Amino acid sequence: DQQVKQNSPSLSVQEGRISILNCDYTNSMFDYFLWYKKYPAEGPTFLISISSIKDKNEDGRFTVFLNKSAKHLSLHIVPSQPGDSAVYFCAARENSGYALNFGKGTSLLVTP
Amino acid sequence: DADVTQTPRNRITKTGKRIMLECSQTKGHDRMYWYRQDPGLGLRLIYYSFDVKDINKGEISDGYSVSRQAQAKFSLSLESAIPNQTALYFCATSEVGRNTGELFFGEGSRLTVL
Repeated sequence: DQQVKQNSPSLSVQEGRISILNCDYTNSMFDYFLWYKKYPAEGPTFLISISSIKDKNEDGRFTVFLNKSAKHLSLHIVPSQPGDSAVYFCAARENSGYALNFGKGTSLLVTP
Repeated sequence: DADVTQTPRNRITKTGKRIMLECSQTKGHDRMYWYRQDPGLGLRLIYYSFDVKDINKGEISDGYSVSRQAQAKFSLSLESAIPNQTALYFCATSEVGRNTGELFFGEGSRLTVL
């Protein structure tokens, strides 16, 4: 059973607008949530993370929001740029420090 | 130069052949991982190692084995490759004590089994 779910396989946004990528999870033992970005022919690269004790973390154009009661997190990119076009993976870690559980990814296309 | 290096980057092989994918890292991290990416399935954990003497199975370890030859080297083997092992394979490392659980990935090894 997939514990981290990204239900939107793809998203298209115009340059300058906000991109919102969503992620749901089922395991209440997750203590850290991370977003990774992946370009074709490259490995995933870390983008931003949030601890389960926080509800928001911001880094430049990227903000992650966590709603623990809904077991939902989202990544906001404002403003979106064409270079943001990539696959975004949501990931989560159990507080046992085991390894990361990944969602299936959302392919973001930012059009000029 | 990449901190996490995977070889080969691309490999085509036949069913039944033995294949080894190698990973080396210069980050000095103790923890190393092998993940597999399939279209529409995201990244799934195959094996992980928290130090040289530690090997653990992930969620999809059947048909795979690993060897942690040194702190910096972690190889993945397919003893007898089959077509459904065609995928993109990623090695990753992480730092002990880094609370965020952040992984650092290599560039991937694309394996095709005919």
